[in-house]
Amino acid sequence: QKEVEQDPGPLSVPEGAIVSLNCTYSNSAFQYFMWYRQYSRKGPELLMYTYSSGNKEDGRFTAQVDKSSKYISLFIRDSQPSDSATYLCAMSNTGNQFYFGTGTSLTVIP
Amino acid sequence: DGGITQSPKYLFRKEGQNVTLSCEQNLNHDAMYWYRQDPGQGLRLIYYSQIVNDFQKGDIAEGYSVSREKKESFPLTVTSAQKNPTAFYLCASSIGTGFNSPLHFGNGTRLTVT
Repeated sequence: QKEVEQDPGPLSVPEGAIVSLNCTYSNSAFQYFMWYRQYSRKGPELLMYTYSSGNKEDGRFTAQVDKSSKYISLFIRDSQPSDSATYLCAMSNTGNQFYFGTGTSLTVIP
Repeated sequence: DGGITQSPKYLFRKEGQNVTLSCEQNLNHDAMYWYRQDPGQGLRLIYYSQIVNDFQKGDIAEGYSVSREKKESFPLTVTSAQKNPTAFYLCASSIGTGFNSPLHFGNGTRLTVT
């Protein structure tokens, strides 16, 4: 079993829709959770960084962590064509070893 | 602007040749990492370094070598022993061990070996 599971998609939504991206994990020791956005032929860009359970909001983005279910989510409100990218989840237990999902490809259609 | 610079963006080599990928950061981060990204496989850790003159193997270190002579620089050499070197290589850094900080990535080098 992989440490982190992420549905690869692809996911296609109309502009303005709410997008929900999810990852599950198996290691209950994970404490730090990250979401990255990666455009084609570019490096991943950090979107959200959270510690432990709960919600964190930044503009149109909300990261949610449910440690009891070993499940994290990223919500994108009012999605825009510029949000079209691959979204990677990542997590860590020590702060120096990171485990990544395989990424979900998102297309927002104008 | 602080960040991570990887060069070149595209690199082409013949099979059997060693090639070195450059990674420089001006974030004053202690820890640096090399990942390989292949379609459908996610990011796989090649090597990481927590301090100057020290580095550890990641999950797929065979056929690769690194050095960390300066805090700012962490070059990766892809040797002829690497069986399938064509990939997208990403360098990253973080504040370091003992600190709760995420990874920050460069924009990658796409290596093609024929």
